Amino acid sequence: DIQMTQSPSTLSASVGDRVTITCRASQSISSWLAWYQQKPGKAPKLLIYKASSLESGVPSRFSGSGSGTEFTLTISSLQPDDFATYYCQQYNSYFTFGPGTKVDIK
Amino acid sequence: QLQLQESGPGLVKPSETLSLTCTVSGGSISSSSYYWGWIRQPPGKGLEWIGSIYYSGSTYYNPSLKSRVTISVDTSKNQFSLKLSSVTAADTAVYYCARRPNSSSWRSWGQGTLVTVSS
Repeated sequence: DIQMTQSPSTLSASVGDRVTITCRASQSISSWLAWYQQKPGKAPKLLIYKASSLESGVPSRFSGSGSGTEFTLTISSLQPDDFATYYCQQYNSYFTFGPGTKVDIK
Repeated sequence: QLQLQESGPGLVKPSETLSLTCTVSGGSISSSSYYWGWIRQPPGKGLEWIGSIYYSGSTYYNPSLKSRVTISVDTSKNQFSLKLSSVTAADTAVYYCARRPNSSSWRSWGQGTLVTVSS
C-alpha cells in the first residue's frame, strides 16, 4: 500500500500570504498526484491533477509541483475563499489520500 | 451539467449491510471515458477510497475493505451502487459517489450522504 503524509497538519496564514503545503508518498508515484480543497459540509473539489495540471476553472494562484515522492501545493496569494482543508491523493496504485492540511486565519 | 446524487438509509444497525445508490444525471454511466467510485469520510476525519467501477462492470476495491464491499452498475437506470457488509460503528461516515476521467482523478462528486451505524 502507498501511504501519503502531509505537512503541516495546520497552517495559520493571512490574506495575501504565499502558502505552501507538502505531500510525500511512501514510494514513487511518478506524477500521479492530485490536490483537493474541502470546505466544511461540502464535497472535495479537485484543484490539481497529474501533480501540476490546473483543473479547469481553478484560479491560477493555485499551482502544484513535484514528482516521485515529494510534491507541493502553492497558493501564491491567499484569498478569503481559500481558508479550507487541502488533501493530496495518489492515483498511481488505487487511490490513497493524505491526512489533510487545514488552512485557517491567522 | 453532470450531477451525482447518493441515496439510501441514513441509519444502519451493526452487523447489517449498508446499501447506497448513486444516480447520475446529465451524463451517461455507459461512457468509456470515465470510472465511477465511492469515497467516504468519517466525521471530522480524512477521506478513504472504497472502490471503483467501470461501465463494463470491472471493479476495483480498497484492499482493506475488499472482503466486505460490492460495487455494481445498472446502466439501464444510469446508477451504480455500493454494498458494505458486516458494518460496525467504524463505518459511520459521509459517503460520496464520484466520477473520474481516465488518467485523472475524482473530478465530479455527489453532495455526500451521512450513514450512521448504531443500534
